[in-house]
Amino acid sequence: GIQVEQSPPDLILQEGANSTLRCNFSDSVNNLQWFHQNPWGQLINLFYIPSGTKQNGRLSATTVATERYSLLYISSSQTTDSGVYFCAVFQGNYQLIWGAGTKLIIKP
Amino acid sequence: DSGVTQTPKHLITATGQRVTLRCSPRSGDLSVYWYQQSLDQGLQFLIQYYNGEERAKGNILERFSAQQFPDLHSELNLSSLELGDSALYFCASSLGQAQETQYFGPGTRLLVL
Repeated sequence: GIQVEQSPPDLILQEGANSTLRCNFSDSVNNLQWFHQNPWGQLINLFYIPSGTKQNGRLSATTVATERYSLLYISSSQTTDSGVYFCAVFQGNYQLIWGAGTKLIIKP
Repeated sequence: DSGVTQTPKHLITATGQRVTLRCSPRSGDLSVYWYQQSLDQGLQFLIQYYNGEERAKGNILERFSAQQFPDLHSELNLSSLELGDSALYFCASSLGQAQETQYFGPGTRLLVL
């Protein structure tokens, strides 16, 4: 099956810093989602991004499907950005295969 | 708020017991997915239903079963519970049955003592 690897596993930044999170996948995929799991456990959709670049406020994502990776950019980090960021790719039509996540801590 | 609701939020039970987790999808969504998040296994896909029919199975144990009812809500039944079943169980929904954005509920946190 598809393997999904995320890096770095942990990231500690000061408020205001920028960050780049990476997701590599082992096989061709048609679609990929980025999620943020907040400290209360809730999973929040960030991007559904099979290819190209999307932006939503301070967050943006780029997927290069031919090279099997996706990047999530967070600019001007805020403490509320803390949590775990997951990427997940579709295997077949229905099943999301998840990476292990990047744990982000933003210090005030 | 994703529009997906799950009950209960927390559940504490003993080994050997049976519990039922409930999920209501977003209005208009026909697909429901169940995922398990445990400390050692991460997030894993369990099962998917589309418009009342099972569509895909992942790493779901035989002790677990699910169904989707005519009103499209879904229930995940966990029986003969073991300590290792303690986890956060998420339900997600999407409009169709193919590769679409999945919207996640708040989860049910299960603790088996």
